[in-house]
Amino acid sequence: EPEVTQTPSHQVTQMGQEVILRCVPISNHLYFYWYRQILGQKVEFLVSFYNNEISEKSEIFDDQFSVERPDGSNFTLKIRSTKLEDSAMYFCASSENRRGQGQMSYNSPLHFGNGTRLTVT
Amino acid sequence: GQQLNQSPQSMFIQEGEDVSMNCTSSSIFNTWLWYKQDPGEGPVLLIALYKAGELTSNGRLTAQFGITRKDSFLNISASIPSDVGIYFCAGQLRGNQFYFGTGTSLTVIP
Repeated sequence: EPEVTQTPSHQVTQMGQEVILRCVPISNHLYFYWYRQILGQKVEFLVSFYNNEISEKSEIFDDQFSVERPDGSNFTLKIRSTKLEDSAMYFCASSENRRGQGQMSYNSPLHFGNGTRLTVT
Repeated sequence: GQQLNQSPQSMFIQEGEDVSMNCTSSSIFNTWLWYKQDPGEGPVLLIALYKAGELTSNGRLTAQFGITRKDSFLNISASIPSDVGIYFCAGQLRGNQFYFGTGTSLTVIP
């Protein structure tokens, strides 16, 4: 079964450094997402991406963060000048398409990768 | 962000027992999803629900999309040790964003 793959599985960086987290979404999926999960807490939405642009972002996703789809397969999350509180699991997800119309439209379910554990020291 | 409250927060049950957990919100959702997360791994989709009142099963798992569209329920029948993990609900409003619940930690005692 196709899956979302993420690299690296664990990234350790010093405070103030930049990191790039990489994801390969499922090949026929059109919507891409980044979520994060601080240890022991719930999964939090960061950003969604569709048609080569950000479609939604949360208040967590400030100017420190950026996303890019540099080619037809990769989807990256860049964190500039990392802070201690950025330490978390970062999950990439993708979904196939959007169904329905108007207010009753919805995305196909998210399929998650196994995450990158980011540790900022 | 939207607040999805899951209950109970944690459960300790004997193998073979049935499990019920729920997810509630003050907002109306178009979609409800249930995920299971094992330690160190990403959430894995269990069940997706798209219509109010919908009842869907996946093996020993059954989930329902509440009539009010503000809640959802997940039941696990005849629990086994590999059911251990954290179960998250997720709801989608009109946009692309899915909001996750606070999670229910399940421990199954053999």
